[in-house]
Amino acid sequence: QQPVQSPQAVILREGEDAVINCSSSKALYSVHWYRQKHGEAPVFLMILLKGGEQKGHDKISASFNEKKQQSSLYLTASQLSYSGTYFCGTVSGNTGKLIFGQGTTLQVKP
Amino acid sequence: NAGVTQTPKFRVLKTGQSMTLLCAQDMNHEYMYWYRQDPGMGLRLIHYSVGEGTTAKGEVPDGYNVSRLKKQNFLLGLESAAPSQTSVYFCASSYWANTEAFFGQGTRLTVV
Repeated sequence: QQPVQSPQAVILREGEDAVINCSSSKALYSVHWYRQKHGEAPVFLMILLKGGEQKGHDKISASFNEKKQQSSLYLTASQLSYSGTYFCGTVSGNTGKLIFGQGTTLQVKP
Repeated sequence: NAGVTQTPKFRVLKTGQSMTLLCAQDMNHEYMYWYRQDPGMGLRLIHYSVGEGTTAKGEVPDGYNVSRLKKQNFLLGLESAAPSQTSVYFCASSYWANTEAFFGQGTRLTVV
C-alpha cells in the first residue's frame, strides 16, 4: 500500500517555508525523499533510516518518526529551484520493496 | 559512467501488440525496480528484483512480466498491450533497498 503524502500541492513565494508529510500504515525500515522536475526523472534528496534520525543539507531537511510511521520534509527559505514534485518512498520489512507516495507538487513563485 | 539507461525512450503500440522495455545499469547494483507514473498516482511499483535471477511482484503487476537474467539488466515485458498501460515507465536501481535509488530517464509508452 502506497504511503500517503500531504498536502497534494503547495504554492509558495520565494523565501517562504514548506513542510511535506508522509505517513505509512506499515512499520518502516527507511524513508526516501526524491524531487522530480517536469519531464525529468526523480532525483534523490536524502534517506532516513530506522532510528528516528533527522537529516538535512542546505535548507532542506527531514525527520523520521518510526513509532508513528511518519516522515516530514522541511524546505526553508524556498528558492525558485525548489519547484517540482516531491515523492517519499518507503521500505518496510526486509523485502527490498521501495514504494512511493502519490507526490506533492510544490510551486515557488518570485 | 552511464548510470541507468532505458530503451526505448518513446514507443507507440497498437492494442494487443507486445513489447519489451530494457533497463541497463553499470553501477553493479543488486536491486532494480520498474515503476509506472500516471498523473495524480505517483510512482507505482510494477515488479522489482533483489538480485540476478530473482523477481518479485510490486503493487500493480498485472499485465506485465519481468526477467533479470543478468545482474545489469532488468527487462519489462508487455505480452498484450492495453490502452490502460499508456504511461511513463521508470526503471531504478540501488545497491540495496536502504540506499539511494538512481532512475533512468523514462519511457513514454502510448497504447492506441
